Amino acid sequence: DADVTQTPRNRITKTGKRIMLECSQTKGHDRMYWYRQDPGLGLRLIYYSFDVKDINKGEISDGYSVSRQAQAKFSLSLESAIPNQTALYFCATSDSSGTGDYNEQFFGPGTRLTVL
Amino acid sequence: QQQVKQSPQSLIVQKGGISIINCAYENTAFDYFPWYQQFPGKGPALLIAIRPDVSEKKEGRFTISFNKSAKQFSLHIMDSQPGDSATYFCAASLNSGYALNFGKGTSLLVTP
Repeated sequence: DADVTQTPRNRITKTGKRIMLECSQTKGHDRMYWYRQDPGLGLRLIYYSFDVKDINKGEISDGYSVSRQAQAKFSLSLESAIPNQTALYFCATSDSSGTGDYNEQFFGPGTRLTVL
Repeated sequence: QQQVKQSPQSLIVQKGGISIINCAYENTAFDYFPWYQQFPGKGPALLIAIRPDVSEKKEGRFTISFNKSAKQFSLHIMDSQPGDSATYFCAASLNSGYALNFGKGTSLLVTP
């Protein structure tokens, strides 16, 4: 979805390096999420934020940190990257005031991260 | 621990056939069950979703069947087309808008 952008789209880094993945959205949504996708494991939640001052750990937060700089921006950091953090990372957004019987999550195009 | 179990891991269906993907969950507090579709190189996108107060929801060729007592739900794709070839994820959450618990995904290939 073009309204949710992720940078960079691809990144190769070395073990021990610090790396930041950025997510921006123009949807005006208040909720943002970071997921990790590994082959055969589906998508797993790393962190989620319901507003700028509300950040929560997900299923696999160890080794990651996040920053919600503004309602539209949510960054994921790997303080010291390790090879098993090689994965496809997705940012998603949703609107708590959404109408209808569900609050759809809108995903960005993903960042492919390789840690050597 | 995976809170939503999905099967099969992969599925091959001929054009015009019915594709069926199944999911099971343990947490009876889950009350929102979406299916997401993902094409290669793209992020997942919502396909269809259901709440447990109904047993079936249909949108075009896509139908969710929900069995609350069995804690199972499934996606049926009628008249499957090659353009339906994608990875499908079921998910569940405590409330719509909360973080989703995804299944491991099913890679669907529809052959011409």
